[in-house]
Amino acid sequence: QSVLTQPPSVSAAPGQKVTISCSGSTSNIGNNYVSWYQQVPGTAPKLLIYENNKRPSGIPDRFSGSKSGTSATLGITGLQTGDEAEYYCGTWDSSLSAYVFGTGTKVTVL
Amino acid sequence: QVQLQESGPGLVRPSETLSLTCDVSGYSISSGYYWGWMRQPPGRGQEWIGSIYHSGNTYYNPSLKSRVTISVDTSSNQFSLRLSSLTAADTAFYYCARHVRYYGSGSYYDSFDIWGQGTMVTVSS
Repeated sequence: QSVLTQPPSVSAAPGQKVTISCSGSTSNIGNNYVSWYQQVPGTAPKLLIYENNKRPSGIPDRFSGSKSGTSATLGITGLQTGDEAEYYCGTWDSSLSAYVFGTGTKVTVL
Repeated sequence: QVQLQESGPGLVRPSETLSLTCDVSGYSISSGYYWGWMRQPPGRGQEWIGSIYHSGNTYYNPSLKSRVTISVDTSSNQFSLRLSSLTAADTAFYYCARHVRYYGSGSYYDSFDIWGQGTMVTVSS
């Protein structure tokens, strides 16, 4: 089981907003930077957010990231059917000396 | 643009050793970055296996460390994964990725910014 906990699923109608939480501890989120990944079924993960809140080139500003204490949050506004995917947070865990991924959250567009 | 492509056997027998290679194009491994391996059992989440720097410095997931070896071949611009003593629990999609990693002000900055398409490995007799 992962040291980073995410809700199993979230859903909303097209155009609405969803937020996905990622809960950790001082050894991971609390002291290191968080990334977020999107994995559309049948494809490889894609980096959405790095260093807590930065977007790689080509990622729309509908996607945003934030961090507070030992938790991080991914926000998706203007939800589109193409956003249906599994979303993972990830960060370095200094106690484990390992990169850890969250449990994953499935986003469904109603 | 930078592209990564995994290659290796799709079926491996229990107790044997898995060998996968990741070919990198559009970027010279010798120029920098870490290069990593991840895996994902069908229907389950991502697991980091380990990462290597072009100099050969490695980090391994402690849960797999006794069975994992990651190596780099800068002349071929590729890096490789070897996982020994396979069991059915090692059946998964295996991905290689470029690992952006640095340390500053007491914090680690890690992300995997470019991924290969992945390759499915089944462990079965």
